[in-house]
Amino acid sequence: GAGVSQTPSNKVTEKGKYVELRCDPISGHTALYWYRQSLGQGPEFLIYFQGTGAADDSGLPNDRFFAVRPEGSVSTLKIQRTERGDSAVYLCASSLTAGSNSGANVLTFGAGSRLTVL
Amino acid sequence: QKEVEQNSGPLSVPEGAIASLNCTYSDRVSQSFFWYRQYSGKSPELIMSIYSNGDKEDGRFTAQLNKASQYVSLLIRDSQPSDSATYLCAVKSGAGSYQLTFGKGTKLSVIP
Repeated sequence: GAGVSQTPSNKVTEKGKYVELRCDPISGHTALYWYRQSLGQGPEFLIYFQGTGAADDSGLPNDRFFAVRPEGSVSTLKIQRTERGDSAVYLCASSLTAGSNSGANVLTFGAGSRLTVL
Repeated sequence: QKEVEQNSGPLSVPEGAIASLNCTYSDRVSQSFFWYRQYSGKSPELIMSIYSNGDKEDGRFTAQLNKASQYVSLLIRDSQPSDSATYLCAVKSGAGSYQLTFGKGTKLSVIP
């Protein structure tokens, strides 16, 4: 697609519920990233995919968070047993490549999924 | 712990003035530096990237990098009300790195 698409744009759920957030990156971008942005803060790294594999999931806060990218394109961030502290905007980004100092490495962000846990 | 520090502001400047936004970072091996603009309720949008010491100009925007001082800045000339947004500084470590570390952002208000 022309840009990074994220769905849903807004999700309200109750504490303890399971949530899935979807990201469709720019066509041809091999690198995909998930970030989380809380109010008044900068985005915080969660996980990075190169192709189908999670190259770095060191930013995931705990084992309730999991992400997949089975075919190397669309990714889903899954949150189990949601807590009020999970409320934030979840941003997905993609880039053509990763790890080099070039324009191909520049991240383009989606509009985000705002998660509210009541 | 890699840290990126920015003055949270708000920074208010009159229309037509130069806005100066500053950022310091803790990781000495950082090699890539980015400025993102984020309007309220919107996603971050890249406006400048810089990789080498010195200045890089793009239209009304100039990014300045001083690796010895671990300092990067963004100048916005002839500021417009439409420049009012939060500006996020982001830093990436060595050439093989892919993880961006963001500052909290500086909120800029351009007063007509």
